[in-house]
Amino acid sequence: DSGVTQTPKHLITATGQRVTLRCSPRSGDLSVYWYQQSLDQGLQFLIQYYNGEERAKGNILERFSAQQFPDLHSELNLSSLELGDSALYFCASTSGTGNNSPLHFGNGTRLTVT
Amino acid sequence: GESVGLHLPTLSVQEGDNSIINCAYSNSASDYFIWYKQESGKGPQFIIDIRSNMDKRQGQRVTVLLNKTVKHLSLQIAATQPGDSAVYFCAENRTGRRALTFGSGTRLQVQP
Repeated sequence: DSGVTQTPKHLITATGQRVTLRCSPRSGDLSVYWYQQSLDQGLQFLIQYYNGEERAKGNILERFSAQQFPDLHSELNLSSLELGDSALYFCASTSGTGNNSPLHFGNGTRLTVT
Repeated sequence: GESVGLHLPTLSVQEGDNSIINCAYSNSASDYFIWYKQESGKGPQFIIDIRSNMDKRQGQRVTVLLNKTVKHLSLQIAATQPGDSAVYFCAENRTGRRALTFGSGTRLQVQP
């Protein structure tokens, strides 16, 4: 068990809808990362937060947004969903800013857009 | 649930044999490397990491080798067990960049 908790485990929704994925990092970790894993693109970095502030952006669509709250949990919001957004979404945390330390991943949320 | 899909290279080994999983990287500025194991339905699990000032690092039953000259990384698993069956990813980072970049993964199948 990595100590990172993600909810829900599965989510099925329709195109055009909006969903929120939630992540609780390991106790004491200040950095939260979001990754998307799809069949054809592997693990793709979306966005990073450190202690409530956005630190880095990757291949995150404008329809997607995230935030990290004062209690350090994070939410990833996906809107105007398309079929191609179906994927596994992983949250990971680490104690530092992540440059040279391992990320600890949750078990992901599987999103299916129909 | 599947972790990754269609075009994963697969390494098939017999239980008890040693496994070697390889990874190439392209940027000579990469200075931190890490291996993850992903079992079906789970998130990537940290195995071992290595910094560019090292050539070799050992853990429990695993060894990571780094060859900076040819930009190659390998993960060696000793006495492979059925529980080692999973997809293995290498990832790298470099100073000034905040997020790990993952390779495409290798599926390890352990035959009893």
